[in-house]
Amino acid sequence: GAGVSQSPRYKVAKRGQDVALRCDPISGHVSLFWYQQALGQGPEFLTYFQNEAQLDKSGLPSDRFFAERPEGSVSTLKIQRTQQEDSAVYLCASSLVAGISSPLHFGNGTRLTVT
Amino acid sequence: KQEVTQIPAALSVPEGENLVLNCSFTDSAIYNLQWFRQDPGKGLTSLLLIQSSQREQTSGRLNASLDKSSGRSTLYIAASQPGDSATYLCAGPPMEAGNNRKLIWGLGTSLAVNP
Repeated sequence: GAGVSQSPRYKVAKRGQDVALRCDPISGHVSLFWYQQALGQGPEFLTYFQNEAQLDKSGLPSDRFFAERPEGSVSTLKIQRTQQEDSAVYLCASSLVAGISSPLHFGNGTRLTVT
Repeated sequence: KQEVTQIPAALSVPEGENLVLNCSFTDSAIYNLQWFRQDPGKGLTSLLLIQSSQREQTSGRLNASLDKSSGRSTLYIAASQPGDSATYLCAGPPMEAGNNRKLIWGLGTSLAVNP
């Protein structure tokens, strides 16, 4: 596609449920990032992939968060046993080259609400 | 710890005005700097990326400058239009050894251009 696509657009989960958020980056983009954005805040880094390799997961808030990009394209962010504090917008971004030397292209995000 | 300040936090102007948005890093050692806009309920759109070797970038009515010695960047919007209404965020990776993937974000400037 022409841009980064994320699905679902909105997700409501009951506390304790597992959720999976999908990101389709721009074709051919090497780098893929996941960010978490709370209302009125800037995005917070979660994790980074260079192709299929997860090179940095230092931003994942707990071991309930897991991300993968098995074939170096589509990525999934999974949150197990969701908690209310997980409610946020989850943004995916991709860029053409490794690291952040080229512009980031963001999807529209998935708004997760945990009730 | 690297922090980013954006001034002003909010701005409301009549159509046609020239605008200046400011971004400053507490630690001036940043690798590059990007300016983004975010529309309500949407992801972020990259506007300009200033590489470490550059001092400014221009795109249409937008001009961004970077003074690495002071850790400050300015986004200039000429002849503002109602369609420019959005939140503008700056972000850059701190010049830490081995870090070329994490962006440090400001909280943004919320801009309203009134017709």
